[in-house]
Amino acid sequence: EAQVTQNPRYLITVTGKKLTVTCSQNMNHEYMSWYRQDPGLGLRQIYYSMNVEVTDKGDVPEGYKVSRKEKRNFPLILESPSPNQTSLYFCASSLWRAGEETQYFGPGTRLLVL
Amino acid sequence: GNSVTQMEGPVTLSEEAFLTINCTYTATGYPSLFWYVQYPGEGLQLLLKATKADDKGSNKGFEATYRKETTSFHLEKGSVQVSDSAVYFCALSDLLGGANNLFFGTGTRLTVIP
Repeated sequence: EAQVTQNPRYLITVTGKKLTVTCSQNMNHEYMSWYRQDPGLGLRQIYYSMNVEVTDKGDVPEGYKVSRKEKRNFPLILESPSPNQTSLYFCASSLWRAGEETQYFGPGTRLLVL
Repeated sequence: GNSVTQMEGPVTLSEEAFLTINCTYTATGYPSLFWYVQYPGEGLQLLLKATKADDKGSNKGFEATYRKETTSFHLEKGSVQVSDSAVYFCALSDLLGGANNLFFGTGTRLTVIP
């Protein structure tokens, strides 16, 4: 089954404790992206990657890191989480050519930083 | 730049009522337009899309027409059901910038009551 998976689905942590949210897709998509969803703000892009070893900042990259060492995986790293990073996070992937750019989303990771 | 403005919610309708959720956009290039739906506790799913002017996307009784002259992509359904209760996001994707980045509206929560 074609899918994007994220782990963990729910996470409670404390300020400053490094964490990683994993994202994996099995569709051989070149493009992957992380979003955060906050009430009244919709989804905002954190980072994206157009292919292996190619990453770039989205609209709200501060406090986050990513890596793309393999095509299927795109982990999101919070080196020193803060309460303002409490949010619902979505990973997405897609092909990268005109007409095929529909993004497929993972189930989401709900993060609470105390 | 790219942006999406969609109708503020929440929207509450009775079953079998007509639904319209307005969406307008600003884009620098020639975007593809999307409606995504998020059911309670789940990730985003693509509902429909249109990739060029005058295209009509449709799925599950929902429709939206890409109107370049009014920069709009309004979502409509003739007869809503309780199972349509969800949050609906309008989004655009513009490959002109070299990356498949989605720009989302803030979302409209729809509740359908029996």
